[in-house]
Amino acid sequence: KNEVEQSPQNLTAQEGEFITINCSYSVGISALHWLQQHPGGGIVSLFMLSSGKKKHGRLIATINIQEKHSSLHITASHPRDSAVYICAVPSSGNTGKLIFGQGTTLQVKP
Amino acid sequence: NAGVMQNPRHLVRRRGQEARLRCSPMKGHSHVYWYRQLPEEGLKFMVYLQKENIIDESGMPKERFSAEFPKEGPSILRIQQVVRGDSAAYFCASSRDTLYGYTFGSGTRLTVV
Repeated sequence: KNEVEQSPQNLTAQEGEFITINCSYSVGISALHWLQQHPGGGIVSLFMLSSGKKKHGRLIATINIQEKHSSLHITASHPRDSAVYICAVPSSGNTGKLIFGQGTTLQVKP
Repeated sequence: NAGVMQNPRHLVRRRGQEARLRCSPMKGHSHVYWYRQLPEEGLKFMVYLQKENIIDESGMPKERFSAEFPKEGPSILRIQQVVRGDSAAYFCASSRDTLYGYTFGSGTRLTVV
């Protein structure tokens, strides 16, 4: 079993829809990261959160430490949101290295 | 602040050649991480360095791969005698310390022909 599991693996939405991507992890963590990667592009760090909820524009990330679960929400989705969204957690040992989920490929159609 | 700079963006090498990938961390960041993304696979940790020290290289292949982060200059990931299986995107990330967020570079896409 992977230490970080994301669902769904692929997601297609119509422009304007509300989107939720889920991430479950099995290790104890200090913080969880949500990353975005466009096709052939670099990686952008969207959020780092250790509790509660964070919001940035149309993006909202929540985390429940007790349940070891996090969600990334996109409100009023737009075709430019089409990308791979990756959840990552630090491995044990406090070295800072990240363990990644397999990613969720999102396509938003106009 | 230019962010994390990786170069080159694209690198083509013939089998048996050496590949050198460079990463300049953000100003003020002394922690550097290298990750590899094989085609159709997720990101995997390779090595974690601080200035002049390798802290964790548990993700590095035992042979042909090495990394350094000298006192002056960028971090270098070196792959000797490249093989087709080394073709991947290599990403560098930096942070101020392990408690802070990371900034990723744009990656170097290595193609071995």
